[in-house]
Amino acid sequence: QKEVEQDPGPLSVPEGAIVSLNCTYSNSAFQYFMWYRQYSRKGPELLMYTYSSGNKEDGRFTAQVDKSSKYISLFIRDSQPSDSATYLCAFLVEGGKLIFGQGTELSVKP
Amino acid sequence: EAGVAQSPRYKIIEKRQSVAFWCNPISGHATLYWYQQILGQGPKLLIQFQNNGVVDDSQLPKDRFSAERLKGVDSTLKIQPAKLEDSAVYLCASSLNVGKLFFGSGTQLSVL
Repeated sequence: QKEVEQDPGPLSVPEGAIVSLNCTYSNSAFQYFMWYRQYSRKGPELLMYTYSSGNKEDGRFTAQVDKSSKYISLFIRDSQPSDSATYLCAFLVEGGKLIFGQGTELSVKP
Repeated sequence: EAGVAQSPRYKIIEKRQSVAFWCNPISGHATLYWYQQILGQGPKLLIQFQNNGVVDDSQLPKDRFSAERLKGVDSTLKIQPAKLEDSAVYLCASSLNVGKLFFGSGTQLSVL
């Protein structure tokens, strides 16, 4: 079993749609849960960061963590063409090492 | 605040040649990472430095890859000799706080 599994997509939605991006993980030692966004030909940038089960909201973005099911999600409301990017879930282990999912490529059509 | 600087932006080499990548992290960031990102995959950690010291290099192919971070600032990653499967984007990142990484735009390497 892979340590991290992310729905690979690609995902194409119309502008204004609600987007759901998901990752499952198997390692109980993961301490923090993150979502990074990566635009084409750029490095990833941190979008959301949480360490506990539950929801965390930041504008149009909501990160959801369910530690009992080892499942995390990122929801994007009112999606915009500027949200078109690859979204990577990431998990922090002790020592500061980040383990990334394979990424989901999202395209939001005007 | 200046971001993480990487050079070159692109590099094309033939297999068995050597190549080097350079990274200048954000000023004051003690932790520096090199990640490899193969097309269609997430970044994979190659090596993590804390100041001058190596924290984790468990996934670095040490028979061909080497990295150093002199004076706890700039870093170079070298591949010698390169293989076809080394074609990837090499990302450098730095951090001040655990988990909050700032990435450069990467070096895209093509090995022919």
